[in-house]
Amino acid sequence: SAVISQKPSRDICQRGTSLTIQCQVDSQVTMMFWYRQQPGQSLTLIATANQGSEATYESGFVIDKFPISRPNLTFSTLTVSNMSPEDSSIYLCSVERSSGETQYFGPGTRLLVL
Amino acid sequence: KQEVTQIPAALSVPEGENLVLNCSFTDSAIYNLQWFRQDPGKGLTSLLLIQSSQREQTSGRLNASLDKSSGRSTLYIAASQPGDSATYLCAVRPETSGSRLTFGEGTQLTVNP
Repeated sequence: SAVISQKPSRDICQRGTSLTIQCQVDSQVTMMFWYRQQPGQSLTLIATANQGSEATYESGFVIDKFPISRPNLTFSTLTVSNMSPEDSSIYLCSVERSSGETQYFGPGTRLLVL
Repeated sequence: KQEVTQIPAALSVPEGENLVLNCSFTDSAIYNLQWFRQDPGKGLTSLLLIQSSQREQTSGRLNASLDKSSGRSTLYIAASQPGDSATYLCAVRPETSGSRLTFGEGTQLTVNP
Protein backbone atom coordinates (compact mmCIF):
# COMPACT_ATOMS: atom_id res chain seq x y z
CA SER A 1 0.00 0.00 0.00
CA ALA A 2 0.97 3.67 0.15
CA VAL A 3 0.54 6.32 2.82
CA ILE A 4 -0.58 9.59 1.28
CA SER A 5 -1.06 12.92 2.99
CA GLN A 6 -2.68 16.07 1.64
CA LYS A 7 -2.48 19.63 2.83
CA PRO A 8 -4.63 21.46 3.59
CA SER A 9 -7.36 19.04 4.65
CA ARG A 10 -9.95 21.74 4.11
CA ASP A 11 -10.18 25.42 3.29
CA ILE A 12 -12.67 28.19 2.72
CA CYS A 13 -11.59 30.64 0.04
CA GLN A 14 -12.85 33.80 -1.56
CA ARG A 15 -13.85 34.03 -5.18
CA GLY A 16 -10.98 35.03 -7.47
CA THR A 17 -8.19 33.72 -5.26
CA SER A 18 -6.02 30.62 -5.78
CA LEU A 19 -5.24 27.65 -3.56
CA THR A 20 -2.37 25.20 -3.81
CA ILE A 21 -2.93 21.67 -2.53
CA GLN A 22 0.01 19.47 -1.64
CA CYS A 23 0.23 15.69 -1.92
CA GLN A 24 3.03 13.74 -0.23
CA VAL A 25 3.61 9.97 -0.52
CA ASP A 26 5.66 7.93 1.93
CA SER A 27 7.72 6.29 -0.84
CA GLN A 28 8.51 6.70 -4.51
CA VAL A 29 5.67 5.96 -6.92
CA THR A 30 5.45 5.80 -10.67
CA MET A 31 2.10 7.45 -11.20
CA MET A 32 0.36 10.35 -9.43
CA PHE A 33 -3.09 11.68 -10.26
CA TRP A 34 -5.45 14.45 -9.25
CA TYR A 35 -9.22 13.97 -9.06
CA ARG A 36 -12.16 16.18 -8.31
CA GLN A 37 -15.31 15.05 -6.54
CA GLN A 38 -18.09 17.59 -6.74
CA PRO A 39 -20.85 17.51 -4.11
CA GLY A 40 -22.97 14.39 -4.41
CA GLN A 41 -21.05 13.12 -7.42
CA SER A 42 -18.39 10.58 -8.19
CA LEU A 43 -14.75 11.19 -9.01
CA THR A 44 -13.51 12.83 -12.18
CA LEU A 45 -9.87 12.68 -13.21
CA ILE A 46 -8.32 16.13 -13.65
CA ALA A 47 -4.83 15.17 -14.76
CA THR A 48 -1.89 12.83 -14.46
CA ALA A 49 1.08 14.49 -12.77
CA ASN A 50 4.27 13.65 -14.66
CA GLN A 51 7.60 13.85 -12.90
CA GLY A 52 9.82 16.49 -14.47
CA SER A 53 7.42 17.43 -17.26
CA GLU A 54 4.03 19.00 -17.89
CA ALA A 55 0.96 17.22 -16.55
CA THR A 56 -1.42 15.38 -18.87
CA TYR A 57 -4.88 16.94 -18.60
CA GLU A 58 -8.23 15.29 -19.22
CA SER A 59 -10.85 16.77 -21.49
CA GLY A 60 -12.44 19.79 -19.86
CA PHE A 61 -9.46 20.65 -17.66
CA VAL A 62 -6.73 23.13 -18.61
CA ILE A 63 -3.34 24.02 -17.24
CA ASP A 64 -4.18 27.69 -16.71
CA LYS A 65 -6.97 26.75 -14.32
CA PHE A 66 -5.32 23.75 -12.65
CA PRO A 67 -1.53 24.07 -12.82
CA ILE A 68 0.21 20.97 -11.49
CA SER A 69 3.77 20.35 -10.41
CA ARG A 70 5.61 17.12 -9.69
CA PRO A 71 9.23 17.84 -8.86
CA ASN A 72 10.04 14.30 -7.70
CA LEU A 73 8.59 10.80 -7.26
CA THR A 74 6.95 11.46 -3.87
CA PHE A 75 5.42 14.93 -4.12
CA SER A 76 2.94 16.87 -6.27
CA THR A 77 0.91 20.05 -6.04
CA LEU A 78 -2.37 21.09 -7.63
CA THR A 79 -3.34 24.75 -7.79
CA VAL A 80 -6.95 25.79 -8.27
CA SER A 81 -6.69 29.23 -9.87
CA ASN A 82 -9.07 32.16 -9.98
CA MET A 83 -11.63 30.21 -7.98
CA SER A 84 -15.38 30.43 -8.31
CA PRO A 85 -18.12 28.75 -6.23
CA GLU A 86 -18.30 26.03 -8.92
CA ASP A 87 -14.82 24.92 -7.82
CA SER A 88 -16.17 23.87 -4.43
CA SER A 89 -15.30 20.17 -4.32
CA ILE A 90 -13.16 17.57 -2.70
CA TYR A 91 -9.80 17.32 -4.45
CA LEU A 92 -8.06 13.96 -4.18
CA CYS A 93 -4.54 12.85 -4.94
CA SER A 94 -3.93 9.23 -5.88
CA VAL A 95 -0.89 7.12 -6.71
CA GLU A 96 0.14 3.86 -8.32
CA ARG A 97 3.42 2.14 -7.57
CA SER A 98 3.45 0.75 -11.07
CA SER A 99 1.13 1.50 -13.94
CA GLY A 100 -2.03 -0.57 -14.02
CA GLU A 101 -1.91 -1.74 -10.44
CA THR A 102 -3.93 -0.81 -7.36
CA GLN A 103 -4.55 2.90 -7.09
CA TYR A 104 -4.34 4.43 -3.60
CA PHE A 105 -5.97 7.66 -2.57
CA GLY A 106 -5.13 10.43 -0.16
CA PRO A 107 -7.63 11.75 2.40
CA GLY A 108 -8.71 14.61 0.15
CA THR A 109 -8.89 18.39 0.44
CA ARG A 110 -12.35 19.80 0.98
CA LEU A 111 -12.61 23.21 -0.69
CA LEU A 112 -15.43 25.70 -0.28
CA VAL A 113 -15.38 28.83 -2.42
CA LEU A 114 -17.58 31.74 -1.34
CA LYS B 1 -16.89 6.25 -23.94
CA GLN B 2 -16.90 4.00 -20.90
CA GLU B 3 -19.83 4.44 -18.55
CA VAL B 4 -20.05 2.84 -15.13
CA THR B 5 -23.36 2.42 -13.31
CA GLN B 6 -23.93 1.30 -9.76
CA ILE B 7 -27.22 -0.02 -8.45
CA PRO B 8 -28.74 0.65 -6.03
CA ALA B 9 -27.76 4.25 -5.31
CA ALA B 10 -28.55 3.73 -1.65
CA LEU B 11 -29.17 0.70 0.51
CA SER B 12 -30.20 0.34 4.14
CA VAL B 13 -30.02 -3.05 5.85
CA PRO B 14 -30.14 -4.45 9.38
CA GLU B 15 -26.94 -5.65 10.96
CA GLY B 16 -25.99 -9.23 10.13
CA GLU B 17 -27.56 -9.29 6.69
CA ASN B 18 -25.63 -10.45 3.64
CA LEU B 19 -25.81 -7.99 0.76
CA VAL B 20 -24.78 -7.48 -2.84
CA LEU B 21 -23.76 -4.27 -4.54
CA ASN B 22 -23.83 -4.11 -8.32
CA CYS B 23 -21.59 -2.41 -10.85
CA SER B 24 -22.04 -2.47 -14.62
CA PHE B 25 -19.87 -1.03 -17.36
CA THR B 26 -20.56 -0.44 -21.04
CA ASP B 27 -17.17 -1.27 -22.58
CA SER B 28 -15.93 -4.76 -21.76
CA ALA B 29 -12.37 -3.97 -22.90
CA ILE B 30 -11.10 -3.47 -19.38
CA TYR B 31 -7.73 -4.20 -17.81
CA ASN B 32 -9.02 -4.46 -14.25
CA LEU B 33 -11.79 -3.32 -11.92
CA GLN B 34 -11.33 -1.91 -8.44
CA TRP B 35 -13.78 -1.56 -5.55
CA PHE B 36 -13.32 1.29 -3.07
CA ARG B 37 -14.92 2.42 0.12
CA GLN B 38 -15.39 6.11 0.97
CA ASP B 39 -16.37 7.29 4.43
CA PRO B 40 -18.10 10.69 4.70
CA GLY B 41 -15.69 13.56 4.07
CA LYS B 42 -12.77 11.19 3.60
CA GLY B 43 -10.66 9.76 0.82
CA LEU B 44 -11.04 6.36 -0.81
CA THR B 45 -9.87 3.08 0.64
CA SER B 46 -9.07 0.33 -1.84
CA LEU B 47 -10.97 -2.88 -1.03
CA LEU B 48 -10.38 -5.28 -3.89
CA LEU B 49 -8.83 -5.26 -7.34
CA ILE B 50 -9.85 -7.86 -9.93
CA GLN B 51 -7.78 -8.35 -13.04
CA SER B 52 -9.68 -8.90 -16.29
CA SER B 53 -8.54 -12.53 -16.37
CA GLN B 54 -9.92 -13.23 -12.90
CA ARG B 55 -13.45 -14.18 -11.90
CA GLU B 56 -13.36 -13.15 -8.27
CA GLN B 57 -11.33 -11.84 -5.36
CA THR B 58 -11.91 -12.26 -1.65
CA SER B 59 -10.80 -10.31 1.38
CA GLY B 60 -12.31 -11.22 4.74
CA ARG B 61 -16.08 -10.72 4.55
CA LEU B 62 -15.84 -9.18 1.09
CA ASN B 63 -16.05 -11.03 -2.19
CA ALA B 64 -15.96 -9.32 -5.56
CA SER B 65 -16.83 -11.06 -8.79
CA LEU B 66 -16.27 -10.02 -12.38
CA ASP B 67 -18.09 -11.06 -15.53
CA LYS B 68 -16.18 -9.14 -18.14
CA SER B 69 -18.18 -10.32 -21.15
CA SER B 70 -21.46 -9.10 -19.70
CA GLY B 71 -19.92 -5.95 -18.22
CA ARG B 72 -20.80 -6.68 -14.62
CA SER B 73 -19.20 -6.88 -11.22
CA THR B 74 -20.71 -7.51 -7.81
CA LEU B 75 -19.42 -6.84 -4.33
CA TYR B 76 -20.76 -9.27 -1.76
CA ILE B 77 -20.57 -8.30 1.91
CA ALA B 78 -21.23 -11.09 4.38
CA ALA B 79 -22.64 -10.59 7.87
CA SER B 80 -22.79 -6.80 7.54
CA GLN B 81 -21.83 -4.60 10.49
CA PRO B 82 -22.56 -0.94 11.33
CA GLY B 83 -18.90 -0.20 10.61
CA ASP B 84 -19.52 -1.20 6.99
CA SER B 85 -21.65 1.91 6.54
CA ALA B 86 -20.01 3.97 3.79
CA THR B 87 -20.24 4.73 0.10
CA TYR B 88 -18.89 1.95 -2.12
CA LEU B 89 -17.45 2.88 -5.49
CA CYS B 90 -16.37 0.72 -8.36
CA ALA B 91 -13.90 1.89 -10.98
CA VAL B 92 -12.79 0.29 -14.24
CA ARG B 93 -9.47 0.68 -15.99
CA PRO B 94 -9.43 0.37 -19.78
CA GLU B 95 -7.14 -2.01 -21.64
CA THR B 96 -5.57 1.00 -23.28
CA SER B 97 -4.85 4.60 -22.18
CA GLY B 98 -2.84 3.70 -19.13
CA SER B 99 -4.14 4.30 -15.65
CA ARG B 100 -7.25 6.38 -16.27
CA LEU B 101 -10.02 5.03 -14.03
CA THR B 102 -13.71 5.56 -14.72
CA PHE B 103 -15.79 5.62 -11.56
CA GLY B 104 -19.39 4.77 -10.90
CA GLU B 105 -21.45 7.10 -8.77
CA GLY B 106 -21.41 4.79 -5.82
CA THR B 107 -23.80 2.95 -3.54
CA GLN B 108 -24.40 4.54 -0.16
CA LEU B 109 -24.73 1.72 2.36
CA THR B 110 -26.20 2.08 5.83
CA VAL B 111 -26.08 -0.88 8.21
CA ASN B 112 -28.42 -0.39 11.13
CA PRO B 113 -27.60 -1.89 14.54
